[in-house]
Amino acid sequence: DAMVIQNPRYQVTQFGKPVTLSCSQTLNHNVMYWYQQKSSQAPKLLFHYYDKDFNNEADTPDNFQSRRPNTSFCFLDIRSPGLGDAAMYLCATSGTGGNKNIQYFGAGTRLSVL
Amino acid sequence: RKEVEQDPGPFNVPEGATVAFNCTYSNSASQSFFWYRQDCRKEPKLLMSVYSSGNEDGRFTAQLNRASQYISLLIRDSKLSDSATYLCVVIANTGGFKTIFGAGTRLFVKA
Repeated sequence: DAMVIQNPRYQVTQFGKPVTLSCSQTLNHNVMYWYQQKSSQAPKLLFHYYDKDFNNEADTPDNFQSRRPNTSFCFLDIRSPGLGDAAMYLCATSGTGGNKNIQYFGAGTRLSVL
Repeated sequence: RKEVEQDPGPFNVPEGATVAFNCTYSNSASQSFFWYRQDCRKEPKLLMSVYSSGNEDGRFTAQLNRASQYISLLIRDSKLSDSATYLCVVIANTGGFKTIFGAGTRLFVKA
């Protein structure tokens, strides 16, 4: 059973047209992450939530925003997608306890920008 | 210098071969270490955590050398299904916990 679910799996948007990607989890983990991964590159952390506390990476463009309305859901908003934003977007979660640093990933949303 | 560096490969090995990957990290405050596996166009999945004492899971052995700041992954008796990209992940405490992925090492196991 999928524990970290991302929707949609594939998203096509137009240059400059806002798009929202969603992530939900059934693990009740308190930390949720958004990564951007381009072909043959490492996943790049955009930001993460520790409960409701938002932590932005210093080099994440302002074009990327996030919302976490409750424990289970987290959204990635791209306000004005550019061609360079075409990538796989991965959501991950991690919990507390002995395995607190282990991250569990969703299947990703592949974003195309036309 | 990248914070986490891996040989990108690809490593092309025959079935049954033993293959080893190394990963170096620059932050001496790094605390947790993992190997993830990522299949083509799929999400990363945890392969194993890496402990100071070293750990083994079936055909896979991971080791950590804090003095030299590298971790390794050894795969014995390679299977076709081991073909994937192996990502080294380091978590450093830099005033807050920071997760850093290596770019991955690609492995192709051939019949």
